[in-house]
Amino acid sequence: AQRVTQPEKLLSVFKGAPVELKCNYSYSGSPELFWYVQYSRQRLQLLLRHISRESIKGFTADLNKGETSFHLKKPFAQEEDSAMYYCALSGNSGGYQKVTFGTGTKLQVIP
Amino acid sequence: DTGVSQDPRHKITKRGQNVTFRCDPISEHNRLYWYRQTLGQGPEFLTYFQNEAQLEKSRLLSDRFSAERPKGSFSTLEIQRTEQGDSAMYLCASSPRGGPEAFFGQGTRLTVV
Repeated sequence: AQRVTQPEKLLSVFKGAPVELKCNYSYSGSPELFWYVQYSRQRLQLLLRHISRESIKGFTADLNKGETSFHLKKPFAQEEDSAMYYCALSGNSGGYQKVTFGTGTKLQVIP
Repeated sequence: DTGVSQDPRHKITKRGQNVTFRCDPISEHNRLYWYRQTLGQGPEFLTYFQNEAQLEKSRLLSDRFSAERPKGSFSTLEIQRTEQGDSAMYLCASSPRGGPEAFFGQGTRLTVV
């Protein structure tokens, strides 16, 4: 079984402060991890994936297999970062890829 | 717009009525997912299609729920005898062959009164 845990429902930070959104996962194989973001009144969209090891909008995330974590980080939060963030895992389930989501963390950047 | 399209965007129905939602995935995406999202929760997996084959159906789906993808392109999700607890956002997503990430539609918000 695959599971994604996001322990924080809400994270409030001041503009310019560092941000870390936590994500832990449970999966027996080699997972593919993603962060999705949902801005107000917009559809869920892919923010970044661990495979590409890229920085999107200043966000980065490193897969730590030892700690089974995939935390999302940004050194300096901006007001436009306020949104819902979902960690997701794509793993093999019964021979096919299944995407499982965490419950999400609402990031609130205070001006 | 070449993204995932869902119709309708909003549906208000009386308890006991049947509703049907449609999802048009991104062209040539062979995998299609349905999720349900309630307030304060992440997307919960409902069912999954690879081409026209329905490969998994979540225990969240009672017998009142049925999904089809007859030609391996668009999909429909039908809820029979709706209950107030069915009120939620129903999300559709598609994935390309060989690509693990999911591309989402805008969702259909169902309100059962």
